Amino acid sequence: AQSVTQPDIHITVSEGASLELRCNYSYGATPYLFWYVQSPGQGLQLLLKYFSGDTLVQGIKGFEAEFKRSQSSFNLRKPSVHWSDAAEYFCAVDLTSNTGKLIFGQGTTLQVKP
Amino acid sequence: NAGVTQTPKFRILKIGQSMTLQCAQDMNHNYMYWYRQDPGMGLKLIYYSVGAGITDKGEVPNGYNVSRSTTEDFPLRLELAAPSQTSVYFCASKGRQGSETQYFGPGTRLLVL
Repeated sequence: AQSVTQPDIHITVSEGASLELRCNYSYGATPYLFWYVQSPGQGLQLLLKYFSGDTLVQGIKGFEAEFKRSQSSFNLRKPSVHWSDAAEYFCAVDLTSNTGKLIFGQGTTLQVKP
Repeated sequence: NAGVTQTPKFRILKIGQSMTLQCAQDMNHNYMYWYRQDPGMGLKLIYYSVGAGITDKGEVPNGYNVSRSTTEDFPLRLELAAPSQTSVYFCASKGRQGSETQYFGPGTRLLVL
């Protein structure tokens, strides 16, 4: 079945430490790939997206993600986490760019220790 | 420029009641979407629209209806509320084909008792 998997439901890192959130998808072709962040009680905000070209994409708030076709992965990274990064992070794919119907992973909750 | 707005922010319904969740965008976007987010889960697409007068089902449409009479508005109707519809509902929009970024509203939290 087609799916988006975020293996880590909850991650805790210390402030200043590096971060990597994993995302895998199971589709035949390369979909459009997205990372969204959701702060408590808020809507979703786009961090970054990949459509084609350079497989390392830069986003807002110092985040980056790398697309690896061989692993069907699109992992999100940040070199140094800030306390304000504590939130829920969603990976999403768009199989049909014509309609923009997104399929989301179940999310990863990031907790940042002082 | 308000972006995507949703009303109400929170609502409690009794089983069997009906209500309409409102969504509006002021970005002249053609595409609009309704998602629901259950606790600990990602968002699931309920319905979407590619333009005024055109709507289609998403992944979980049962128990819901939509209409799109204008470009700006995309209301979601619950006819007979059930406890399984307790969720947070998000509306989103995006521009023309080729513009892939979706902009999300702040959400409506719905509790069905």
